[in-house]
Parts: sequence; structure tokens; C-alpha cells
Amino acid sequence: NAGVTQTPKFRILKIGQSMTLQCTQDMNHNYMYWYRQDPGMGLKLIYYSVGAGITDKGEVPNGYNVSRSTTEDFPLRLELAAPSQTSVYFCASSSFSMTGNEQFFGPGTRLTVL
Amino acid sequence: GENVEQHPSTLSVQEGDSAVIKCTYSDSASNYFPWYKQELGKRPQLIIDIRSNVGEKKDQRIAVTLNKTAKHFSLHITETQPEDSAVYFCAASGAGNMLTFGGGTRLMVKP
Repeated sequence: NAGVTQTPKFRILKIGQSMTLQCTQDMNHNYMYWYRQDPGMGLKLIYYSVGAGITDKGEVPNGYNVSRSTTEDFPLRLELAAPSQTSVYFCASSSFSMTGNEQFFGPGTRLTVL
Repeated sequence: GENVEQHPSTLSVQEGDSAVIKCTYSDSASNYFPWYKQELGKRPQLIIDIRSNVGEKKDQRIAVTLNKTAKHFSLHITETQPEDSAVYFCAASGAGNMLTFGGGTRLMVKP
């Protein structure tokens, strides 16, 4: 299994540009998540999904959108990029548990907005 | 919502010494507490976790303790080695599988 994969690894955007960060998992996990990690900081939840067709906002959703058309894919869309969105973005997935389960992380996408 | 605080933010120990990292959480309904290790430029990876029906869990040199009454949990690393140097994150999860992460602890193990 490849686990959780993300593309691209690195990207530089100009202010106002848009892009989509791709995330795919092959573990048949119901739950998927997008986090951002600013330098020297912890992980902040942007959006999450509990299954295909269902998404919900996390702690810091402004400036982002997501979709979940399949179990495997959970792309994150940035519209009108701003310098404040410079960060490392991690996608993660987990199987369902009433009490919480290990989240498996992708390798991350390092985004710089200039 | 849940709030997780983690201390210290940096920790420096000599190789072979023990390291302890502490976290507190605010939501008494939280019942799953994982610890992640993140090496420089890498993804976070789970090293140990504990659920609310257990007070302590060990895995070789790593142990986690949980005090639900006081709403705090701790990571203990014994006989530290240079390869233990990394950033460690605690997290807490309530209903819905959502994790709230602490701010991280940068552990440096000096040879």
C-alpha cells in the first residue's frame, strides 16, 4: 500500500492565484483531513470528511474549499492565494472508531505565496 | 471546543537520560490520546496512543500515562538516544474522530 499520497511536494504561487492540492489514500479509510502547519507550530485542522459526499469545516477553513467525490480522493482548493496561506499542508486519513483512531499522514505539500 | 496545551516547548537532555513531555486538555469527553513524532521536514508519525479506559501504556523505551480526573497525560522516553531528537505532538480526540493537537515539543538529545 502507498498509504496517503500528496501532490505536488512544493509549489510557489503569486498572490491571487489559485491551485488544488491533491490527496489520495489507498487504505479504504472513511475519514480524511486537511491540516496546515506553520513554521515551528502545531497542526491546525482546515477541513475534514467522514465519507464520500460529506465534508465539514475545521478550525481554520477560510480561504479554502474541499470536495470528496470518492473514498480515495480529498482535494483541497485554494482560491485567491494570500501570503498568510504560506504553510506546509498535510492530508491525513483514518478508519472509523467511536473513540478515535490513528491518523495516517501524507508527506506534505510546502506552499509559498509571494 | 477542545484545547490542548503542551509543555515544555523545548527540551534538551543528555543521551541516556529520560525525557518527559506533559499535556493538558479541556474537554472531559475526550477519550483518545495519541502522540506523534515529527522529524525535520517529514510527516508526523504515531509513536504511541492511549485510550481513556487505560491509565498507562508502555512500548519499549516509550510510555504514556493518563490522568482523566486531572485531564492531563504525559509522554515518557527513557534511555534517550540521538535519534529521538524530533518534535513531539500530543493530541486529544473526542467524538467524531477529530484530533486537537498541542503546540509541540522540540526534543534535543545531546550525545
